[in-house]
Amino acid sequence: DAKTTQPNSMESNEEEPVHLPCNHSTISGTDYIHWYRQLPSQGPEYVIHGLTSNVNNRMASLAIAEDRKSSTLILHRATLRDAAVYYCILRDAPQGGKLIFGQGTELSVKP
Amino acid sequence: GAGVSQTPSNKVTEKGKYVELRCDPISGHTALYWYRQSLGQGPEFLIYFQGTGAADDSGLPNDRFFAVRPEGSVSTLKIQRTERGDSAVYLCASSLALAGTGELFFGEGSRLTVL
Repeated sequence: DAKTTQPNSMESNEEEPVHLPCNHSTISGTDYIHWYRQLPSQGPEYVIHGLTSNVNNRMASLAIAEDRKSSTLILHRATLRDAAVYYCILRDAPQGGKLIFGQGTELSVKP
Repeated sequence: GAGVSQTPSNKVTEKGKYVELRCDPISGHTALYWYRQSLGQGPEFLIYFQGTGAADDSGLPNDRFFAVRPEGSVSTLKIQRTERGDSAVYLCASSLALAGTGELFFGEGSRLTVL
């Protein structure tokens, strides 16, 4: 399974944008980039995913580098509720199957 | 509710005992996954099912761990001769299909403590 690298932790101020980076230099052509987050004492929840083009949904935006070796999850206005561990995961679309979680980035949001 | 349901939410047992953890997936979801999570770590894959069959059980740590899904819906994770190192939160997730890009929906987990 292709691996991802994320910073262990990041801090943000409430109502400011947050850019969470992820490196995945060994990504293959059929790997989708998925982001999940895990709030304290809860199971992970899906945030967004993409292949090549940038993606937007109600929760966040995903910016994917042209060579696909890195991506950035963007929270446009952080709220206290966004404090969580964010996981960047590669998943082979045709094969599907398990998600392999790394350590993720622990985001703290200051009021 | 319509989400993934896991029972019990908390289980305390003694070393050497047998434990069963149950997962009720979202109705209609054919794929079901089990993970376990230790404090401060990301979820660790254990096994996943497509329908009734285990499609990948490569994450089960040893033969004390076993999971079934006899009717393609509810799944039970079984742990024999529990050890203190088995203490963790056990997470279950389901999705519409095994392949593709569909999202996984996770339950809130069953916290297992082995004394």
